Amino acid sequence: ETGVTQSPTHLIKTRGQQVTLRCSSQSGHNTVSWYQQALGQGPQFIFQYYREEENGRGNFPPRFSGLQFPNYSSELNVNALELDDSALYLCASSPYGGSDEQFFGPGTRLTVL
Amino acid sequence: DAKTTQPNSMESNEEEPVHLPCNHSTISGTDYIHWYRQLPSQGPEYVIHGLTSNVNNRMASLAIAEDRKSSTLILHRATLRDAAVYYCILRDGSNYQLIWGAGTKLIIKP
Repeated sequence: ETGVTQSPTHLIKTRGQQVTLRCSSQSGHNTVSWYQQALGQGPQFIFQYYREEENGRGNFPPRFSGLQFPNYSSELNVNALELDDSALYLCASSPYGGSDEQFFGPGTRLTVL
Repeated sequence: DAKTTQPNSMESNEEEPVHLPCNHSTISGTDYIHWYRQLPSQGPEYVIHGLTSNVNNRMASLAIAEDRKSSTLILHRATLRDAAVYYCILRDGSNYQLIWGAGTKLIIKP
């Protein structure tokens, strides 16, 4: 059974650019959640996708958007990058709407210069 | 959103039990208590969760106060591999969102 994978592992962008991060969920999981983790802090919930629909959103502006595909993989898109967007972006998958255990990927480290 | 409060760090000796406290005085009746841990340079890993009753699994035990305003994660016999940041998290039972705090950095001394 393949775990949650994320790509790329590291990324460097400049302010104002756009970025797309990708996540492949664990086999059989139909729910994907995205988190932003700044250095030294706990993860902050961005949004969750369940069966290709957004199923909850945290306190992030609209320039953070996402997609979930029929195979339940997911993308996180961030437009108009700001310096404060530099963080580790984590993807977690779970079965049946994410009620219990969430399985996390290793994350994508985004640096905005 | 209900929040959690944890000590910034704790130290323990290898092969001894560890009790990690968490306060959540504003918890609501539908909030579940989850614990995750994050080893260096890795994504978080689920440890345990509960609602009202104490819970046990192969990794740890979760003791929940009767008024649910606090809980304690118990590692029965800590090893060096248990050194990590431990997060006590409340999950809103109506929307499955996890609200994370800053966590407790657990240091295990050999």
